[in-house]
Amino acid sequence: DGGITQSPKYLFRKEGQNVTLSCEQNLNHDAMYWYRQDPGQGLRLIYYSQIVNDFQKGDIAEGYSVSREKKESFPLTVTSAQKNPTAFYLCASSINGQGGEKLFFGSGTQLSVL
Amino acid sequence: AQSVAQPEDQVNVAEGNPLTVKCTYSVSGNPYLFWYVQYPNRGLQFLLKYITGDNLVKGSYGFEAEFNKSQTSFHLKKPSALVSDSALYFCAVRDIGAAGNKLTFGGGTRVLVKP
Repeated sequence: DGGITQSPKYLFRKEGQNVTLSCEQNLNHDAMYWYRQDPGQGLRLIYYSQIVNDFQKGDIAEGYSVSREKKESFPLTVTSAQKNPTAFYLCASSINGQGGEKLFFGSGTQLSVL
Repeated sequence: AQSVAQPEDQVNVAEGNPLTVKCTYSVSGNPYLFWYVQYPNRGLQFLLKYITGDNLVKGSYGFEAEFNKSQTSFHLKKPSALVSDSALYFCAVRDIGAAGNKLTFGGGTRVLVKP
């Protein structure tokens, strides 16, 4: 999947628990993204980062947090404030976040609530 | 605001027949348009994109799409479908004039190619 590694493949969250999804890329891309996929709703943007130490909220950022301390890594934390976290989470990257470049996607993490 | 619509949840086609997956978009300025494909439990894979120039864009695996500005459409086509084309297809749009690099995806169309 284009040099982007997401882990774990499956993750379970208990009530009131924060969980962190990992995303690492070795493509030397500046821009990274987190999407949430729900059946029939397509992909919705949670957060994106166009450069290290900077990130912006997407369309559904509430209940989520991110960090971008290294170019290769863009972890997503699903906090206890996210009341409906069950979904398939996809990480992506692109060369520089400008213009019409294509996105490269990881294989995804399925998050479920216990 | 930018948006994209895929009016069909599922498209069924016999192997060897032409395949069309519909997409319409809405942007305030000019669009960048993309098609991606997703196989079960996997990430999305890029198929093709329209940036500027020729309205007919050719992409991976024999797919093509035609940009129609007057109809604000970007339908995906393949002249002869294969069983292996069965997957979930997503159209996406970015408003060139919008700040940031936010790509908006449609809800997806499931394609089932029967032998």
